[in-house]
Amino acid sequence: EVQLVQSGAEVKKPGESLRISCQGSGYSFTSYWISWVRQMPGKGLEWMGRIDPSDSSADYSPSFEGLVTISADKSINTAFLHWSSLKASDTAMYYCAREFATSSGAGWFDPWGQGTLVTVSS
Amino acid sequence: EIVLTQSPGTLSLSPGDRATLSCRASQSVTSRYLAWYRQNPGQAPRLLIYGASNRATGIPDRFSGSGSGTDFTLTISRLEPEDFAVYFCQQYGSSPSFGPGTKVDIK
Repeated sequence: EVQLVQSGAEVKKPGESLRISCQGSGYSFTSYWISWVRQMPGKGLEWMGRIDPSDSSADYSPSFEGLVTISADKSINTAFLHWSSLKASDTAMYYCAREFATSSGAGWFDPWGQGTLVTVSS
Repeated sequence: EIVLTQSPGTLSLSPGDRATLSCRASQSVTSRYLAWYRQNPGQAPRLLIYGASNRATGIPDRFSGSGSGTDFTLTISRLEPEDFAVYFCQQYGSSPSFGPGTKVDIK
């Protein structure tokens, strides 16, 4: 069974750093991109960026460039999303998803991880 | 950036009813590169349709997608209890973007 399993919920203070993870199983991890998607409370879905685990090349939505870092360790089939200094406005659910690449350079997402809830509060 | 709008915002229907959801793009979506997802409360989104009309693995045939260019439709022929959820469209003809969602609730 193809699945993505994310790390558990986090409660952090503003200014702290954080790294959350997404481990893939049941498929060749290096054959598909991993994307990260944000969902703020009660809101819609926002694509943040993606990584190609085969060479760790990443690209970002302009809305998130410089605010987060996406990385991967193919030896443990895991992708990461990292913040160096959290803000209260980073409070959200974060999903990873396997992305099926197409000729356009983007793709659809399947499956999705179960989500990691990040709460940033003083 | 391609902006997606979805209508209606909320659709109130009964189990067994037919649901028709619309997704409109601000510019033409390349090669019908459009997907649909269902998100049940407290759960991650689940892929239903990709390539505008291709059902994902394990998705029942009551779900169908159509459209091209800037106008796309998701049709659910007979609503089951688990179909009362929020539906998002997503384009991948360029940098991925999602519509704001349509909530299907029980009338």
